[in-house]
Amino acid sequence: GAVVSQHPSWVICKSGTSVKIECRSLDFQATTMFWYRQFPKQSLMLMATSNEGSKATYEQGVEKDKFLINHASLTLSTLTVTSAHPEDSSFYICSAGRDASYEQYFGPGTRLTVT
Amino acid sequence: GDSVTQMEGPVTLSEEACLTINCTYTATGYPSLFWYVQYPGEGLQLLLKATKADDKGSNKGFEATYRKETTSFHLEKGSVQVSDSAVYFCALTVQGGSEKLVFGKGMKLTVNP
Repeated sequence: GAVVSQHPSWVICKSGTSVKIECRSLDFQATTMFWYRQFPKQSLMLMATSNEGSKATYEQGVEKDKFLINHASLTLSTLTVTSAHPEDSSFYICSAGRDASYEQYFGPGTRLTVT
Repeated sequence: GDSVTQMEGPVTLSEEACLTINCTYTATGYPSLFWYVQYPGEGLQLLLKATKADDKGSNKGFEATYRKETTSFHLEKGSVQVSDSAVYFCALTVQGGSEKLVFGKGMKLTVNP
């Protein structure tokens, strides 16, 4: 099957610092990767879509200067939360898609807590 | 905009009980419909899908039929097992392929022995 990993699985950081979350497709090449945010008892909300080698496309209301996304290779995308604040505390989930496939493969998620 | 509305739960059932999770959608285009499942401690996994009206998706004893007339995609299983305990998400994409998914809020199901 198609496996997507995320690292770290959980992180605690202080307000004002930056945090980087990695998303890797382990056994396939992902031309498209997606980043979602999930609040407790809420749905997954798409933050941005990234294609390898190009700039990410952000959803309305998502600050692109705060949530930096890099998709430098076909197996790795990173999300950096810059100058994190307590309201950024959430569960961040990535997914990866292959060409000509309806399916997105999801990572296990990263729990971010900003104190 | 496109949206998905589903039962929120949480729901607790006894083993071998029948399950129905309602899901309705609003879409400007002609969507593909999905059910994803998230087992404890794991990422979301595709459970089943349907890409056109009257299609029935099925997997692991679960079924859902794409009903265009009622804009619904209800998930059903005749006899649940303890191993079915998870969070279930209904979702859609409008353009197909590896495109943007719109999710419902998810429903947590617990099945007791």
